[in-house]
Amino acid sequence: EVQLVESGGGLVKPGGSLRLSCAASGFTFSSYFMNWVRQAPGKGLEWVSSIGGSSDFIYYADSVKGRFTISRDNAKNSLYLQMNSLRGEDTAIYYCARDAYLDGPSWFDPWGQGTLVTVSS
Amino acid sequence: DIVMTQSPDSLAVSLGERATINCKSSQSILNNSNNKNHLAWYQQKPGQPPKLLIYWASTRESGVPDRFSGSGSETDFTLTISSLQAEDVGVYYCQQYYTSPSYTFGQGTKLEIK
Repeated sequence: EVQLVESGGGLVKPGGSLRLSCAASGFTFSSYFMNWVRQAPGKGLEWVSSIGGSSDFIYYADSVKGRFTISRDNAKNSLYLQMNSLRGEDTAIYYCARDAYLDGPSWFDPWGQGTLVTVSS
Repeated sequence: DIVMTQSPDSLAVSLGERATINCKSSQSILNNSNNKNHLAWYQQKPGQPPKLLIYWASTRESGVPDRFSGSGSETDFTLTISSLQAEDVGVYYCQQYYTSPSYTFGQGTKLEIK
């Protein structure tokens, strides 16, 4: 069964840092682009960042560029998101999601259950 | 960035009736090289992550009931639930993956039972 499990969320003060992790299983992790998508409380979905299978391609939304760093460890089947200089508007559930299609631009499937990040003093 | 706009923002439909959700993109998301529209639909229930329903605008994901269908091309798309069931309540999102990886989602449409 393909599965994604996020961890690392929590309460952090503005300006603080947090590192999210996503453990993948049930598929050849290194073959897929992986993504982080977030959802502020009661709001819609916002793509945050993507990384290629070999970490060869890395992309960020403008809202997090320069503050967040995506990475992966294919030996550990794990995806990470290092979040620095956190702001109140970064408060959200952060989902790990896999590209579903290997041969080009793709929709996301599956998604993890998400981990909640709250930025507040 | 491509802006995805859904309508309506919320919708109440009686059980067994048809539900229609629209999604409009600010520019064409039809890939002329493969003649496919780069659009997906997701369903999200409270406390759960989004679940994929439709990709390539009209291809139903395996295991998704056939009462769900997607249509449209270029800039205008529709998700139709032919006969609403109680378990279909939730929020529905469209997503373009044409300008990969700068993906964008619609704002969501909340579907309720009338």
